[in-house]
Amino acid sequence: GAVVSQHPSRVICKSGTSVKIECRSLDFQATTMFWYRQFPKQSLMLMATSNEGSKATYEQGVEKDKFLINHASLTLSTLTVTSAHPEDSSFYICSARDGDRGYEQYFGPGTRLTVT
Amino acid sequence: TQLLEQSPQFLSIQEGENLTVYCNSSSVFSSLQWYRQEPGEGPVLLVTVVTGGEVKKLKRLTFQFGDARKDSSLHITAAQPGDTGLYLCAGANTGNQFYFGTGTSLTVIP
Repeated sequence: GAVVSQHPSRVICKSGTSVKIECRSLDFQATTMFWYRQFPKQSLMLMATSNEGSKATYEQGVEKDKFLINHASLTLSTLTVTSAHPEDSSFYICSARDGDRGYEQYFGPGTRLTVT
Repeated sequence: TQLLEQSPQFLSIQEGENLTVYCNSSSVFSSLQWYRQEPGEGPVLLVTVVTGGEVKKLKRLTFQFGDARKDSSLHITAAQPGDTGLYLCAGANTGNQFYFGTGTSLTVIP
């Protein structure tokens, strides 16, 4: 149980285009989903927290107009990187938490974004 | 501000050696998790500790939560190449906020 999927696993896009990443909880309802960014051999940097049906809460320094997050259902959250630039290239990971199970977060496999 | 500091940041050891990774904070957490992450994949939950002084064992891995619930340690006995990865601690406070540690990159050399 507690499986989280992400799609796509890898994406290459041109500078100036937008990219959407999906995060799904497959066998539980995710009351809260989190989006992280990670650089090689570094820890995860929390970008935003989203609760189903409400606006996402962004961490300081994260542009909400650039990183659009939608948590339309209890099993799906999306992150859209708008007008992507090479510096947005990174590993993006989502996680989901089932409030009934406690504090543990269950992570997706990540999405490698490369902006050329 | 990073609430959870891990040490060491990088560790390279020979197969068969023992090691300890530390996760320290000045904040109190209601629970603390340890994750292991391999390159190109998401973190995988290893254990959750919730009680001060709690010790949990997972095969060759021993996890301890500090008495004051501010720190934790992960001890690996007889490390194997398969233990290679990035180890992350993460703490949750009573306000449901979740904080990741700075990470420890472990390499076990055959």
